[in-house]
This record gives sequence, structure tokens and C-alpha cells, in this order.
Amino acid sequence: SQQGEEDPQALSIQEGENATMNCSYKTSINNLQWYRQNSGRGLVHLILIRSNEREKHSGRLRVTLDTSKKSSSLLITASRAADTASYFCATEPGNTPLVFGKGTRLSVIA
Amino acid sequence: DAGITQSPRHKVTETGTPVTLRCHQTENHRYMYWYRQDPGHGLRLIHYSYGVKDTDKGEVSDGYSVSRSKTEDFLLTLESATSSQTSVYFCAISESPGSSPLHFGNGTRLTVT
Repeated sequence: SQQGEEDPQALSIQEGENATMNCSYKTSINNLQWYRQNSGRGLVHLILIRSNEREKHSGRLRVTLDTSKKSSSLLITASRAADTASYFCATEPGNTPLVFGKGTRLSVIA
Repeated sequence: DAGITQSPRHKVTETGTPVTLRCHQTENHRYMYWYRQDPGHGLRLIHYSYGVKDTDKGEVSDGYSVSRSKTEDFLLTLESATSSQTSVYFCAISESPGSSPLHFGNGTRLTVT
């Protein structure tokens, strides 16, 4: 069963715009991670946010976590065509392997 | 790609035949995982290993077995392949089960006809 659920399933934006993806999960977690997958490739880790953190930045990425709402968001600022990919959230319910959502497919149009 | 190699990259096989996929790492990470990725389902965990000869089942383990005889290799075997096992299979490694990032291989695309 899926722990995380990304929203929207697909997103299409113009280059230079910001992209926001959301992730909701069901049970309490120790941390939440975001991954990117380019077509035909494996997933690449983007950022990890722990349950006691509310916000984290990495370059053009900003992740927020609201444990009271069991939700997280990934913001990509000033998007580029190279950001076109699928983005997945993954949660760690408790010292167990990560559980992935179904992903958001982002298309950035030049 | 973080020293992870999956082989083969592509395979077509017939229903009922056994198939073994291999994952090889050069990072000396303790944890190794097999996930499958299907449209509409995202990634689902098949089996994972937390050390040599130590393995455990994931969400979708039926029809699959694994073995890990040395740190660097994790094998996934489909005992008797079925069409429902047509999928893209990803191996991943990590230093701990959930609190460290996973590093993924580039996947094996398996087609069962």
C-alpha cells in the first residue's frame, strides 16, 4: 500500500515559472525524502527532511513538512527544461525501508 | 550512479521460465533493495537485505526470491515468470534502512511474454 501520495499527478509549466508538488502520507514518520527520476533512469535523491524540521533548502529546491497535516511540498523555483522529470516523495514510517508515492510528472516547456 | 550496476538492462523471457536479475555495488553499503516500478503504482518494494544472508520481504514479494551471499551482490529471482511480472526493476542501496538516502541503479526492463 502506498504511504505517500503526490499531487498533482502531472504538471506542465513554462520555463522560469515555479513548480510546486505536494505529498500527503498516512502514518507518522521519522523523515521524508524527495527523489527525481529522468526518463529511463533510476531515481536520484534530492533532499531529506526530518520530522522535527519544518523547511529545508537545497539550491533551487525548497521542501516543507507539516507533520500535523501529514503533508510535504516540494517547490522548484525558476524552473528549467532540464527539470522535466518525475518527482517522488518517500517516507520512512519507522526504521523500515522507504515507501514511495506514485509520483508527479513535471514538464517544463522552453 | 553511486557504484551500482544492474544486469541485464533489458530481458525478454517466456512465461514459466526462471529469471535472475543481478545488482552489484561497489559502495560497501549494508542495505540493498529491489523495487519494481509499474505505471499507476509507483515504486513498490519486493525484498530487501540488511546484510550478507539477511533478507526480508517487502510489499510485493510473492513470486520472487532473493539471495545475498556477499556484500556487493544482491540477486532477485523470479522462480517461474508470469506476465504480471513484466516491469522495470530497480536495485537500490543505502547505509541505513530509512534515515539515509537511497542510491538507485538504472533499472532492468523485464518483459514476460
